[in-house]
Amino acid sequence: KQEVTQIPAALSVPEGENLVLNCSFTDSAIYNLQWFRQDPGKGLTSLLLIQSSQREQTSGRLNASLDKSSGRSTLYIAASQPGDSATYLCAPPNTGFQKLVFGTGTRLLVSP
Amino acid sequence: SAVISQKPSRDICQRGTSLTIQCQVDSQVTMMFWYRQQPGQSLTLIATANQGSEATYESGFVIDKFPISRPNLTFSTLTVSNMSPEDSSIYLCSVERSPGGEQYFGPGTRLTVT
Repeated sequence: KQEVTQIPAALSVPEGENLVLNCSFTDSAIYNLQWFRQDPGKGLTSLLLIQSSQREQTSGRLNASLDKSSGRSTLYIAASQPGDSATYLCAPPNTGFQKLVFGTGTRLLVSP
Repeated sequence: SAVISQKPSRDICQRGTSLTIQCQVDSQVTMMFWYRQQPGQSLTLIATANQGSEATYESGFVIDKFPISRPNLTFSTLTVSNMSPEDSSIYLCSVERSPGGEQYFGPGTRLTVT
């Protein structure tokens, strides 16, 4: 059964900093991994989907990397802004299924 | 992407009653899922809503408590039955257009049971 851990649990930084959010998972036999953000009391917004054949995926100031062999993914946020404040969730699927397994997230606060 | 709406957006219900949550997608999708997010927790999958057949439930969730319908490829409902305060959560539906593709989430339904 897939288990997901995200570090750090919370992060508070001043605007402009570059950030690294870490995700580790126990079952490396995945075909993709998705990163989401969740604003308080809201649904999830898909940020990036990285396929198992890819090592990186980029969207604007966001860059996600995937290392299946070590069971790790990293979300890099460049030049952080107050609007980036949210909880970031990593979600690989359960082995052989399309069902996502969520970590507990990293709560990010970017101060002006 | 996909445009997903959920109704209601929030509700306050009394213990012992039931609430049906609707999920509507702007176009046909292969997979629809229902998740629960308890206060301060991450998301847990309740079930996969299968079009034309019974939903597939995850361990710890049963059909009598969470009956699900999916009459077509754009619509699904989740009912939370015989509610107790422990059912207070955000309930979210998600969709996947094609197997192994990106999943998209609805805005969620915030349920409070008193």
